[in-house]
Amino acid sequence: EAGVAQSPRYKIIEKRQSVAFWCNPISGHATLYWYQQILGQGPKLLIQFQNNGVVDDSQLPKDRFSAERLKGVDSTLKIQPAKLEDSAVYLCASSQGSSWGRNGSSYNEQFFGPGTRLTVL
Amino acid sequence: QKEVEQNSGPLSVPEGAIASLNCTYSDRVSQSFFWYRQYSGKSPELIMSIYSNGDKEDGRFTAQLNKASQYVSLLIRDSQPSDSATYLCAANSRYNFNKFYFGSGTKLNVKP
Repeated sequence: EAGVAQSPRYKIIEKRQSVAFWCNPISGHATLYWYQQILGQGPKLLIQFQNNGVVDDSQLPKDRFSAERLKGVDSTLKIQPAKLEDSAVYLCASSQGSSWGRNGSSYNEQFFGPGTRLTVL
Repeated sequence: QKEVEQNSGPLSVPEGAIASLNCTYSDRVSQSFFWYRQYSGKSPELIMSIYSNGDKEDGRFTAQLNKASQYVSLLIRDSQPSDSATYLCAANSRYNFNKFYFGSGTKLNVKP
Protein backbone atom coordinates (compact mmCIF):
# COMPACT_ATOMS: atom_id res chain seq x y z
CA GLU A 1 0.00 0.00 0.00
CA ALA A 2 1.46 3.35 -1.02
CA GLY A 3 1.92 5.88 1.74
CA VAL A 4 1.10 9.57 1.90
CA ALA A 5 2.88 11.49 -0.85
CA GLN A 6 4.04 15.10 -0.56
CA SER A 7 5.91 17.52 -2.75
CA PRO A 8 8.17 19.34 -2.83
CA ARG A 9 10.44 17.93 -0.13
CA TYR A 10 12.34 21.17 0.35
CA LYS A 11 11.60 24.78 -0.48
CA ILE A 12 13.53 27.97 0.13
CA ILE A 13 11.81 31.29 -0.49
CA GLU A 14 12.19 34.90 0.53
CA LYS A 15 9.74 36.58 2.85
CA ARG A 16 6.63 37.98 1.18
CA GLN A 17 6.85 35.36 -1.58
CA SER A 18 4.20 32.70 -2.00
CA VAL A 19 4.57 28.92 -1.85
CA ALA A 20 2.34 25.90 -2.35
CA PHE A 21 2.57 22.34 -1.07
CA TRP A 22 0.84 19.27 -2.47
CA CYS A 23 -0.35 16.12 -0.73
CA ASN A 24 -1.86 12.86 -1.92
CA PRO A 25 -3.24 10.72 0.94
CA ILE A 26 -3.35 6.96 1.28
CA SER A 27 -5.98 5.56 -1.07
CA GLY A 28 -9.37 5.35 0.59
CA HIS A 29 -8.51 7.66 3.48
CA ALA A 30 -11.31 10.14 3.93
CA THR A 31 -9.59 12.41 6.43
CA LEU A 32 -6.61 14.56 5.48
CA TYR A 33 -4.59 16.78 7.79
CA TRP A 34 -2.01 19.51 7.37
CA TYR A 35 0.33 20.08 10.30
CA GLN A 36 3.10 22.57 10.95
CA GLN A 37 6.04 21.29 12.96
CA ILE A 38 8.64 23.66 14.34
CA LEU A 39 11.94 22.18 15.51
CA GLY A 40 11.65 20.70 18.98
CA GLN A 41 7.86 20.79 19.06
CA GLY A 42 5.08 18.36 18.29
CA PRO A 43 2.99 18.74 15.13
CA LYS A 44 0.44 21.56 15.27
CA LEU A 45 -2.77 20.99 13.33
CA LEU A 46 -3.43 23.65 10.71
CA ILE A 47 -6.45 22.18 8.95
CA GLN A 48 -8.43 18.93 8.85
CA PHE A 49 -10.53 17.81 5.89
CA GLN A 50 -13.21 15.13 5.90
CA ASN A 51 -13.56 14.20 2.21
CA ASN A 52 -13.63 17.66 0.60
CA GLY A 53 -15.12 19.52 3.57
CA VAL A 54 -13.22 21.43 6.26
CA VAL A 55 -13.74 20.01 9.75
CA ASP A 56 -11.26 22.10 11.74
CA ASP A 57 -9.24 25.11 10.63
CA SER A 58 -9.22 26.93 13.96
CA GLN A 59 -5.42 27.25 14.03
CA LEU A 60 -4.93 28.14 10.38
CA PRO A 61 -3.67 31.76 9.96
CA LYS A 62 -6.31 32.55 7.40
CA ASP A 63 -4.86 35.94 6.47
CA ARG A 64 -1.96 34.18 4.76
CA PHE A 65 -2.65 30.43 4.68
CA SER A 66 -5.22 28.65 2.53
CA ALA A 67 -5.90 25.02 1.75
CA GLU A 68 -8.21 23.09 -0.48
CA ARG A 69 -9.19 19.52 -1.23
CA LEU A 70 -11.50 19.97 -4.15
CA LYS A 71 -12.20 16.38 -5.20
CA GLY A 72 -11.82 14.79 -1.79
CA VAL A 73 -8.49 13.20 -2.63
CA ASP A 74 -5.33 15.28 -2.95
CA SER A 75 -4.86 18.66 -1.31
CA THR A 76 -2.82 21.83 -1.60
CA LEU A 77 -1.69 24.19 1.15
CA LYS A 78 -0.65 27.71 0.17
CA ILE A 79 1.13 30.47 2.04
CA GLN A 80 0.91 33.99 0.67
CA PRO A 81 2.78 36.09 1.67
CA ALA A 82 5.30 34.07 3.67
CA LYS A 83 6.86 35.35 6.87
CA LEU A 84 10.12 34.37 8.55
CA GLU A 85 8.20 32.55 11.30
CA ASP A 86 6.62 30.23 8.72
CA SER A 87 9.93 28.37 8.46
CA ALA A 88 8.98 24.87 9.56
CA VAL A 89 8.23 21.39 8.30
CA TYR A 90 4.76 21.03 6.81
CA LEU A 91 3.39 17.55 7.31
CA CYS A 92 0.45 16.01 5.55
CA ALA A 93 -1.27 13.03 7.14
CA SER A 94 -4.31 10.91 6.46
CA SER A 95 -6.56 8.52 8.33
CA GLN A 96 -9.26 6.11 7.29
CA GLY A 97 -11.66 7.12 10.02
CA SER A 98 -13.12 4.92 12.72
CA SER A 99 -12.45 1.21 12.56
CA TRP A 100 -13.46 -1.52 14.95
CA GLY A 101 -11.05 -3.70 16.83
CA ARG A 102 -11.55 -7.29 17.86
CA ASN A 103 -12.63 -6.31 21.36
CA GLY A 104 -15.36 -4.05 20.00
CA SER A 105 -13.52 -0.79 20.57
CA SER A 106 -13.24 1.74 17.81
CA TYR A 107 -9.93 3.20 16.72
CA ASN A 108 -8.47 5.52 14.14
CA GLU A 109 -4.82 5.59 13.03
CA GLN A 110 -3.08 8.46 11.28
CA PHE A 111 -0.15 8.17 8.88
CA PHE A 112 2.23 10.91 7.84
CA GLY A 113 3.87 11.81 4.57
CA PRO A 114 7.58 12.69 4.35
CA GLY A 115 6.94 16.40 4.90
CA THR A 116 8.10 19.59 3.21
CA ARG A 117 10.85 21.58 4.87
CA LEU A 118 10.22 25.28 4.25
CA THR A 119 12.88 27.91 4.83
CA VAL A 120 11.85 31.55 4.60
CA LEU A 121 14.77 33.98 4.27
CA GLN B 1 -3.44 21.58 31.10
CA LYS B 2 -2.51 20.48 27.61
CA GLU B 3 -4.37 17.51 26.20
CA VAL B 4 -1.23 15.36 25.97
CA GLU B 5 1.98 16.05 27.88
CA GLN B 6 5.43 14.53 27.68
CA ASN B 7 8.78 15.21 29.27
CA SER B 8 10.99 16.66 26.54
CA GLY B 9 14.09 14.82 27.79
CA PRO B 10 16.61 14.00 26.61
CA LEU B 11 16.40 10.53 28.08
CA SER B 12 19.73 8.75 27.90
CA VAL B 13 20.01 4.98 28.33
CA PRO B 14 22.89 2.57 27.64
CA GLU B 15 22.62 0.07 24.83
CA GLY B 16 20.74 -3.06 25.93
CA ALA B 17 18.81 -1.29 28.71
CA ILE B 18 15.07 -0.68 28.92
CA ALA B 19 13.95 2.79 27.87
CA SER B 20 10.74 4.03 29.49
CA LEU B 21 8.85 6.90 27.89
CA ASN B 22 5.81 8.40 29.58
CA CYS B 23 2.85 10.51 28.58
CA THR B 24 -0.06 11.93 30.57
CA TYR B 25 -3.37 13.07 29.17
CA SER B 26 -6.39 15.18 30.03
CA ASP B 27 -10.11 14.43 30.05
CA ARG B 28 -10.41 16.02 26.61
CA VAL B 29 -8.93 12.97 24.89
CA SER B 30 -10.56 9.67 24.12
CA GLN B 31 -9.20 6.24 24.96
CA SER B 32 -7.12 5.72 21.79
CA PHE B 33 -3.38 6.38 22.08
CA PHE B 34 -0.51 6.24 19.65
CA TRP B 35 3.27 6.31 19.78
CA TYR B 36 5.20 7.75 16.88
CA ARG B 37 8.95 7.61 16.34
CA GLN B 38 10.54 10.58 14.60
CA TYR B 39 14.14 10.47 13.48
CA SER B 40 15.91 13.78 13.03
CA GLY B 41 14.88 15.34 9.73
CA LYS B 42 12.19 12.72 9.10
CA SER B 43 8.43 12.61 9.55
CA PRO B 44 6.65 10.77 12.40
CA GLU B 45 6.25 7.01 11.95
CA LEU B 46 3.48 5.14 13.79
CA ILE B 47 4.99 2.34 15.87
CA MET B 48 2.32 1.43 18.43
CA SER B 49 -1.40 1.94 19.02
CA ILE B 50 -3.23 1.05 22.23
CA TYR B 51 -6.91 1.28 22.99
CA SER B 52 -7.48 -0.97 26.00
CA ASN B 53 -6.29 -0.72 29.59
CA GLY B 54 -3.17 -2.79 30.18
CA ASP B 55 -0.17 -3.79 28.10
CA LYS B 56 0.29 -4.38 24.39
CA GLU B 57 3.51 -5.92 23.14
CA ASP B 58 5.03 -5.79 19.67
CA GLY B 59 8.56 -7.10 19.40
CA ARG B 60 10.83 -5.01 21.62
CA PHE B 61 8.10 -2.43 22.20
CA THR B 62 5.44 -2.52 24.92
CA ALA B 63 2.75 0.11 25.26
CA GLN B 64 1.02 0.45 28.62
CA LEU B 65 -2.26 2.26 29.22
CA ASN B 66 -3.51 3.16 32.71
CA LYS B 67 -6.86 4.88 32.41
CA ALA B 68 -7.30 5.39 36.15
CA SER B 69 -4.09 7.40 36.38
CA GLN B 70 -4.42 8.87 32.87
CA TYR B 71 -1.03 7.92 31.58
CA VAL B 72 0.35 5.89 28.74
CA SER B 73 3.89 4.54 28.50
CA LEU B 74 6.17 3.06 25.90
CA LEU B 75 8.85 0.60 26.97
CA ILE B 76 11.67 -0.29 24.61
CA ARG B 77 13.54 -3.44 25.66
CA ASP B 78 17.13 -4.14 24.61
CA SER B 79 17.54 -0.54 23.43
CA GLN B 80 19.71 -0.06 20.37
CA PRO B 81 21.50 3.07 19.12
CA SER B 82 19.09 2.94 16.16
CA ASP B 83 16.26 3.62 18.63
CA SER B 84 17.69 7.10 19.23
CA ALA B 85 14.92 9.42 18.07
CA THR B 86 12.13 11.63 19.36
CA TYR B 87 9.04 9.73 20.47
CA LEU B 88 5.70 11.47 20.12
CA CYS B 89 2.64 10.50 22.13
CA ALA B 90 -0.73 11.17 20.50
CA ALA B 91 -4.40 10.65 21.28
CA ASN B 92 -7.77 11.12 19.61
CA SER B 93 -9.99 13.96 20.76
CA ARG B 94 -12.96 12.85 22.84
CA TYR B 95 -15.21 15.18 20.81
CA ASN B 96 -13.83 14.66 17.30
CA PHE B 97 -12.62 11.12 16.79
CA ASN B 98 -10.74 12.15 13.67
CA LYS B 99 -8.74 14.82 15.52
CA PHE B 100 -5.39 13.95 17.07
CA TYR B 101 -3.56 15.72 19.89
CA PHE B 102 0.22 15.42 20.03
CA GLY B 103 2.68 15.81 22.85
CA SER B 104 5.87 17.77 22.26
CA GLY B 105 7.92 14.57 22.15
CA THR B 106 10.65 12.96 24.26
CA LYS B 107 14.12 12.73 22.81
CA LEU B 108 15.76 9.36 23.45
CA ASN B 109 19.51 8.82 23.20
CA VAL B 110 20.77 5.24 23.33
CA LYS B 111 24.49 5.21 24.00
CA PRO B 112 26.64 2.37 22.61
